[in-house]
Amino acid sequence: QKEVEQNSGPLSVPEGAIASLNCTYSDRGSQSFFWYRQYSGKSPELIMSIYSNGDKEDGRFTAQLNKASQYVSLLIRDSQPSDSATYLCAVNRGYSSASKIIFGSGTRLSIRP
Amino acid sequence: KAGVTQTPRYLIKTRGQQVTLSCSPISGHRSVSWYQQTPGQGLQFLFEYFSETQRNKGNFPGRFSGRQFSNSRSEMNVSTLELGDSALYLCASIPSPGSYEQYFGPGTRLTVT
Repeated sequence: QKEVEQNSGPLSVPEGAIASLNCTYSDRGSQSFFWYRQYSGKSPELIMSIYSNGDKEDGRFTAQLNKASQYVSLLIRDSQPSDSATYLCAVNRGYSSASKIIFGSGTRLSIRP
Repeated sequence: KAGVTQTPRYLIKTRGQQVTLSCSPISGHRSVSWYQQTPGQGLQFLFEYFSETQRNKGNFPGRFSGRQFSNSRSEMNVSTLELGDSALYLCASIPSPGSYEQYFGPGTRLTVT
C-alpha cells in the first residue's frame, strides 16, 4: 500500500461543474495536508493546506479532511479550462522535517469546454 | 516578494560528468528542500537545509550532495552522472522549519545522455 494514494486519472469534468479530487493516506499520525497544482512542464504550486478535520474554503477551492477515514479531498467549483493540470496531494507525517512530507503521484484533471 | 529562483533552468550533460544546481529561496526563508521529480517515481525528497545545516537526506546515493550558504542560497551537486539522473530537480523554500508549506522554484531540467 502506498503511503499517499491518488487516482492517476485523467479525470474529465465539464466546464462550470465541480471537480472532486481525492487522496488517501496510510499514516494515521499524519498532521498536515497540502494540495499542489502542477501544470505540464512547470513546478508544483501550493494551492491549499489543511490541518484540522472539516472543510477549508479559499475562493473556488475547498479542501476537506477526515482524519478518522484517512482521506483528504479537493473540490474545485465552477471549473475552468485553466484548472486543467495535475493535482498533487502531500501529507506531512511528522513535525520535524520536510523529509516527512510524502507526495502522491497526482491526479490529472482535464476540464472540457 | 520575489519567488524562488533556480539556475540553470535546463542542462544537458553526458554520463560520468558532474553537475551543480543552484537555488535561492524566498527572501526571509531560511529553509530549503530539494526534490527529484520523474514520471515514474514522482516527487522524491533529496535534502533539507536550515541555517547551513543539512537536517535530513533522502534515500539517494552518495553521488548526490548539497550545501547551504549563510545567505540561505543552496546548491546541490550530482557527481558521476547516470542516465537515470535525468529528471526535474526542484528546490522548495520553507518559511521556517516548523512550517511545511513549501514554495517551489521553477526547477532545473537535467538531461543526461
